[in-house]
Amino acid sequence: DAGVTQSPTHLIKTRGQQVTLRCSPKSGHDTVSWYQQALGQGPQFIFQYYEEEERQRGNFPDRFSGHQFPNYSSELNVNALLLGDSALYLCASSLQEFEQFFGPGTRLTVL
Amino acid sequence: AQSVTQLDSQVPVFEEAPVELRCNYSSSVSVYLFWYVQYPNQGLQLLLKYLSGSTLVKGINGFEAEFNKSQTSFHLRKPSVHISDTAEYFCAVRSLGGNQFYFGTGTSLTVIP
Repeated sequence: DAGVTQSPTHLIKTRGQQVTLRCSPKSGHDTVSWYQQALGQGPQFIFQYYEEEERQRGNFPDRFSGHQFPNYSSELNVNALLLGDSALYLCASSLQEFEQFFGPGTRLTVL
Repeated sequence: AQSVTQLDSQVPVFEEAPVELRCNYSSSVSVYLFWYVQYPNQGLQLLLKYLSGSTLVKGINGFEAEFNKSQTSFHLRKPSVHISDTAEYFCAVRSLGGNQFYFGTGTSLTVIP
């Protein structure tokens, strides 16, 4: 049983560009959450998707948007990239409300 | 909202010695509590969780944690650490019925041979 997968593994962008990160949840999971983990920090909640809708959002600007597809996979889009957006982006999936399973993350570097 | 404080940013410990990683949380409502481990260049792996019931929770790799409601703490312990336990450890909380996890800033555990 494959766990949570994320692509790409690494990504380098320049300021002002746009980026799309992808996540496939663990088999049977219907809820996907996205987190930003800056270097030396704990993960910060960006938003959560359930039934193809954003269910809850953390304290992130509208430049961060997402989508969930009928097969429960999800995308995270970031527009107008800033240097401060450089981080590890983690996707987590869950069924119902309890334990979240995390993917390996996408390392985004903004130059 | 909830918040988590991990009191020690770095904890060095000799191999086979015991270790305790401290976690305190703040919340006006009841919460679920979690400990995750992150190895270099990897995602987070669940060590253990407290949802209800016994306040002493046992997890994987010989770790355990005790929920103390009066002190709003959820400290992680292991009686004898191994080199392979070297990693970053994160404490997290989520309110009952809530969707958002709140993480601490992490504790870097280094096991010294």
